[in-house]
Amino acid sequence: GDSVTQMEGPVTLSEEAFLTINCTYTATGYPSLFWYVQYPGEGLQLLLKATKADDKGSNKGFEATYRKETTSFHLEKGSVQVSDSAVYFCALSPFSGGYNKLIFGAGTRLAVHP
Amino acid sequence: SAVISQKPSRDICQRGTSLTIQCQVDSQVTMMFWYRQQPGQSLTLIATANQGSEATYESGFVIDKFPISRPNLTFSTLTVSNMSPEDSSIYLCSVIGSGGGTDTQYFGPGTRLTVL
Repeated sequence: GDSVTQMEGPVTLSEEAFLTINCTYTATGYPSLFWYVQYPGEGLQLLLKATKADDKGSNKGFEATYRKETTSFHLEKGSVQVSDSAVYFCALSPFSGGYNKLIFGAGTRLAVHP
Repeated sequence: SAVISQKPSRDICQRGTSLTIQCQVDSQVTMMFWYRQQPGQSLTLIATANQGSEATYESGFVIDKFPISRPNLTFSTLTVSNMSPEDSSIYLCSVIGSGGGTDTQYFGPGTRLTVL
């Protein structure tokens, strides 16, 4: 079945460092891909999305490009801040444009130190 | 996107009791879902709440344990029945159909449940 694999955390970085969180997926159809963020004590917030191959989602300095050839959707940010400390979830919706459940990766905890 | 609220935000319950969690959206939405996030883990879909009909449950979840209601397009409830400590989790509702596209889900703040 469809699935999402994320790099294990925790990821610990100093402020202003470059961030990459790897995400790969397995899907039988043409999924939409998402990154959600969960700040301490809060619910999930949509960070960015991409609905087809080569699309780039971006928000708050974060970017991710939908790579069909490598089945990947890696999250990147050029300069992280302490306020970016959170758990990041990669997810897919099995069929782009459809009303589908989300399949989540395990989540990657990011800790940014001053 | 829609504003989603959940009640209660947290609760501590005794084994064998039941808790009903409410999810309220400030606009009509097409789809509503209920997820569980066990401590330190990812999210797992419990069921899709269907307006006017029985919920659709995922494998491993049953109606007797997690009865769900959705009386209209802005409200749903999830009941966790006959609770045990293994039910200690964050329960989140999510919605589709509030402007983000047909495949984009937005989440409520969650209900943190502890069962003693």
